[in-house]
Amino acid sequence: QVHLVQSGAEVKKPGASVMVSCRASGYTFTTYGITWVRQAPGQGLEWVGWISTYNGNTNYAQKLQNRVTMTTDTSTTTAYMELSGLRSDDTAVYYCVRERDYGGDSFWFDSWGQGTLVTVSS
Amino acid sequence: SYELTQALSLSVGLGQTARISCGGNNIGSKSVHWYQQKPGQAPVLIIYRNSYRPSGIPDRFSASNSGNTATLTISRAQAGDEADYYCQAWDSIAHVVFGGGTKLTVL
Repeated sequence: QVHLVQSGAEVKKPGASVMVSCRASGYTFTTYGITWVRQAPGQGLEWVGWISTYNGNTNYAQKLQNRVTMTTDTSTTTAYMELSGLRSDDTAVYYCVRERDYGGDSFWFDSWGQGTLVTVSS
Repeated sequence: SYELTQALSLSVGLGQTARISCGGNNIGSKSVHWYQQKPGQAPVLIIYRNSYRPSGIPDRFSASNSGNTATLTISRAQAGDEADYYCQAWDSIAHVVFGGGTKLTVL
């Protein structure tokens, strides 16, 4: 059974950085990419970016690409998302999700981590 | 950038059929996926590639996609179906796009 287990909640001050981890199990880690999605309180889902667990290629949301870095450690089947220069509007639950794809233009998310609340407050 | 539009809320009677729409320019040419999110929980995939159900999802959930509208249909609505529903697609420029979500209330 696929499991994505994320690190615990974080409270950070504006301008700081945060790193969220996501440990995957139950499948071959390098077969599927990992996407990060965030959800601000009471709001909808927002795509943060994607990383290939096979070769480390990344693709970030344009609004975050100067502040977000995604990495993986295949030896521990763990994905990481680091967000720097935190602002109050970065306060959100951050989810790691396993990405599935078909035909090169269809991508969806079949397994979700439990979410990590990142609170940015002075 | 590509946008997906959903109604903020929808109410349906117990046992009735709910139809949740997701609008987008020529969305029928894209592959649309649907997620259900209950309060305090992570989203769950309920439909992928327009109309496929993952294992464990009841066949009361179905979907279609044509023209400028994709539709999620929930038949014989139950109290347990109360949740937020999100559509999602991929665009070559915007990459992953989510609709704003529709809150379903079962009366």
